[in-house]
Amino acid sequence: AQSVSQHNHHVILSEAASLELGCNYSYGGTVNLFWYVQYPGQHLQLLLKYFSGDPLVKGIKGFEAEFIKSKFSFNLRKPSVQWSDTAEYFCAVNVAYSGAGSYQLTFGKGTKLSVIP
Amino acid sequence: NAGVTQTPKFRILKIGQSMTLQCTQDMNHNYMYWYRQDPGMGLKLIYYSVGAGITDKGEVPNGYNVSRSTTEDFPLRLELAAPSQTSVYFCASSYGAGGPNEQYFGPGTRLTVT
Repeated sequence: AQSVSQHNHHVILSEAASLELGCNYSYGGTVNLFWYVQYPGQHLQLLLKYFSGDPLVKGIKGFEAEFIKSKFSFNLRKPSVQWSDTAEYFCAVNVAYSGAGSYQLTFGKGTKLSVIP
Repeated sequence: NAGVTQTPKFRILKIGQSMTLQCTQDMNHNYMYWYRQDPGMGLKLIYYSVGAGITDKGEVPNGYNVSRSTTEDFPLRLELAAPSQTSVYFCASSYGAGGPNEQYFGPGTRLTVT
C-alpha cells in the first residue's frame, strides 16, 4: 500500500516569506498527486493536482507544486505567503490503475502553516 | 449546486448509542467516500462506494456501516458508539469515470462520544 509523508508538522512564517512544504510518497508506479488546503473550521479544498504532463503545476492563490519522479516528491511552494494562507495543508496520492479502488486517496498527516502578520 | 452536504454539523453521543451521519451530493458523482480526521493523523478512509448498491471497506471500517441506495446519498452508520470514534467525519465525492478526478469534500460532522 502506498504511504505519504509530510515532513513538517507545523511551519511558522512571517508574511512575505517564501514557503515550501515537503511531500514524499512511497509507491513506485504511476500516481496522481494532490494538495488540499483546510482553512480553520472549514472543509478541504483542492489547491492543485498533477496527473501527467508538465511536472510544474500551478494552483489557486499563487501556489505551485513540482513533481519529481526520481525523488518520489511533490513539494508545494509559494513565493510570498499572506496571513490568509494560515491553514492546514494535506498532500494526497492515488495510484493510477484501473479498478474500483483506483480512486482512493491516501493522505499525509498534514502540515499546519501559521503566518504571522 | 450545493456540492456535498452533511448533517448534522455537531453531535454528542453517549457510549453505546447509535447514529447515522447523512451525506448528499448533487453533482451526479459516481464515487463517494467517508473519511475520519483525527488531530495530527490526516484523513483515513472508512468506506467508499463506486455506485449505487456497491460499497467497500477502506482503511478503518470497524464500528461503521454504510449503504448506497441512490447516486446522491451515502449515509454512514455508527453502531454502539465508542470514545475512539470521537472525530471529525468528512464525506467526499468524485466523478470517477474515465480517469482520475479530484474529490469534493463536505463541511464535516464533529462527533464526540462520551
